[in-house]
Amino acid sequence: SQTIHQWPATLVQPVGSPLSLECTVEGTSNPNLYWYRQAAGRGLQLLFYSIGIDQISSEVPQNLSASRPQDRQFILSSKKLLLSDSGFYLCAGLAGQFWGEQFFGPGTRLTVL
Amino acid sequence: QQQVKQSPQSLIVQKGGISIINCAYENTAFDYFPWYQQFPGKGPALLIAIRPDVSEKKEGRFTISFNKSAKQFSLHIMDSQPGDSATYFCAASTTGTASKLTFGTGTRLQVTL
Repeated sequence: SQTIHQWPATLVQPVGSPLSLECTVEGTSNPNLYWYRQAAGRGLQLLFYSIGIDQISSEVPQNLSASRPQDRQFILSSKKLLLSDSGFYLCAGLAGQFWGEQFFGPGTRLTVL
Repeated sequence: QQQVKQSPQSLIVQKGGISIINCAYENTAFDYFPWYQQFPGKGPALLIAIRPDVSEKKEGRFTISFNKSAKQFSLHIMDSQPGDSATYFCAASTTGTASKLTFGTGTRLQVTL
């Protein structure tokens, strides 16, 4: 079965510091990969998605960027964090044979102070 | 329009009762409608999903009802249990290589004893 790993689980960073969140996938090859952000008590906002290595699409203009250096690795980054970047970041994958069925990782809780 | 509207925002149901959550969409190109269950601090997990060629799908105590003409779908949880207390998200997507889910805003369900 497909599994998404994310780390770290929690992170507290000062405003203006850089960010790197990593997501890796097991159990499938060439998945679509997604980064979401969830504000407290809110829905999921799609930030980036990728259909393959070095193929990244951004959904909303923001302070973040994403990269996919390997088939099963998806990285979310920022050069300088803002207070508004705080939230729960979720990585998700879509296995080709499960058309539409996204599976999620455990998430990273980011607090920017 | 890509929006998926979900209601109610929160729901309190007694143990053994029926929980009903509703969603409406506008994009007639959507052809996959999943429901996700999320516990606090965890990533969402796929609960049940339906495609528009059927009007109902049942898995255990969970049922999706789908009305294509009205562009609405709903989740029914029969014999609700305290362990069902979680946030539920409906979603919708089109199919294809760059499949993306559009999520509703979530319903926080509390099942009381």
